Amino acid sequence: EAQVTQNPRYLITVTGKKLTVTCSQNMNHEYMSWYRQDPGLGLRQIYYSMNVEVTDKGDVPEGYKVSRKEKRNFPLILESPSPNQTSLYFCASSFVGGGNYGYTFGSGTRLTVV
Amino acid sequence: QKEVEQNSGPLSVPEGAIASLNCTYSDRVSQSFFWYRQYSGKSPELIMSIYSNGDKEDGRFTAQLNKASQYVSLLIRDSQPSDSATYLCAVAPGTYKYIFGTGTRLKVLA
Repeated sequence: EAQVTQNPRYLITVTGKKLTVTCSQNMNHEYMSWYRQDPGLGLRQIYYSMNVEVTDKGDVPEGYKVSRKEKRNFPLILESPSPNQTSLYFCASSFVGGGNYGYTFGSGTRLTVV
Repeated sequence: QKEVEQNSGPLSVPEGAIASLNCTYSDRVSQSFFWYRQYSGKSPELIMSIYSNGDKEDGRFTAQLNKASQYVSLLIRDSQPSDSATYLCAVAPGTYKYIFGTGTRLKVLA
């Protein structure tokens, strides 16, 4: 089944404790992206990757890191999480850029930072 | 002015009626337009894409695009309670730029 897999689905952590949210897709998509979704603010792009070893900042990159060492994986790293990073996170992928074909989204990760 | 604007709703329609969801955007160079459906607590799901002026139909869904007016809409015919969800409009000014609206919540009343 074609899908984007995120883990974990739920995570509660403490301020400053480094964490990684994994994302993997099995569709051979070149383009992958991370979004956060907050009430009233909608989906905001954190980082995106056009292909292996090619990443760029989205609209809200502060406090996040990403890497793209393999085509299928695009982990999101929070090196020192803060409470304002409490949010619902989605990984998404697409052929080429999402602007051409639209995205397939992962199931989401609900992160709470206390 | 927000780049992609949607009425947050909720938009309530009776079962069997036509639901009309609207979206306006500010970037005139936008070439690709998408509608996603998001059930509460779930991830967005792509339901329609449209690239040219006019209408595009897929089952009970029709997307309408008017680039001159910078307006895109989604019609859902014969609305069902299972259509109750938040509908996100997304606009792509470029291949790697992609802007979501905040969504319209639709409630279909049985």
